[in-house]
Amino acid sequence: AQKITQTQPGMFVQEKEAVTLDCTYDTSDQSYGLFWYKQPSSGEMIFLIYQGSYDEQNATEGRYSLNFQKARKSANLVISASQLGDSAMYFCAMREGNSSASKIIFGSGTRLSIRP
Amino acid sequence: DTGVSQDPRHKITKRGQNVTFRCDPISEHNRLYWYRQTLGQGPEFLTYFQNEAQLEKSRLLSDRFSAERPKGSFSTLEIQRTEQGDSAMYLCASSLGLAGVSADTQYFGPGTRLTVL
Repeated sequence: AQKITQTQPGMFVQEKEAVTLDCTYDTSDQSYGLFWYKQPSSGEMIFLIYQGSYDEQNATEGRYSLNFQKARKSANLVISASQLGDSAMYFCAMREGNSSASKIIFGSGTRLSIRP
Repeated sequence: DTGVSQDPRHKITKRGQNVTFRCDPISEHNRLYWYRQTLGQGPEFLTYFQNEAQLEKSRLLSDRFSAERPKGSFSTLEIQRTEQGDSAMYLCASSLGLAGVSADTQYFGPGTRLTVL
């Protein structure tokens, strides 16, 4: 069964606008971690932000914030004041369990394109 | 710190040939991971090492695939008798290996793009 679902294959956003990338997940574990990565056309996966299942506050890193709604099992990425350099693939990912010794499962990604 | 590096960045080979990829992790990182990414998909886990020990292998890792990390530093991924279905981006990642902490972030290299003709 697919664990991470990203329903938006592609999105177009005007520069300087905020954008929300959707991610829902499925797990029976109480402890898990959620990640967002950015993959530009160069291919390298760039870590953006992390949210633990027990974290009470939504994670923020600069222009990135994670809208974590545990009951809905959603972990949407919000990018404020989008820039042309934000154009890339964005992947939501999850690690189950409270140990770091487990693999990360990725969604299929959302391609974000920023219009000037 | 120069980050995770991978070599080569691109590899074109003929079906049936063997190929080997190298990954150099971030220097103080104990864990090293290999992923495969096909076009339009997210990365899929292949295997990972804690220091020199290979602790988990995905069912995706057929007998033609072998990975090593002999001294707990760099790692190699070898594919024997390549098939066209092996064409993909092979990504390496490393992490500190923080025990009992789910926020053990994996940092990725630029990947090796394999094309099997």
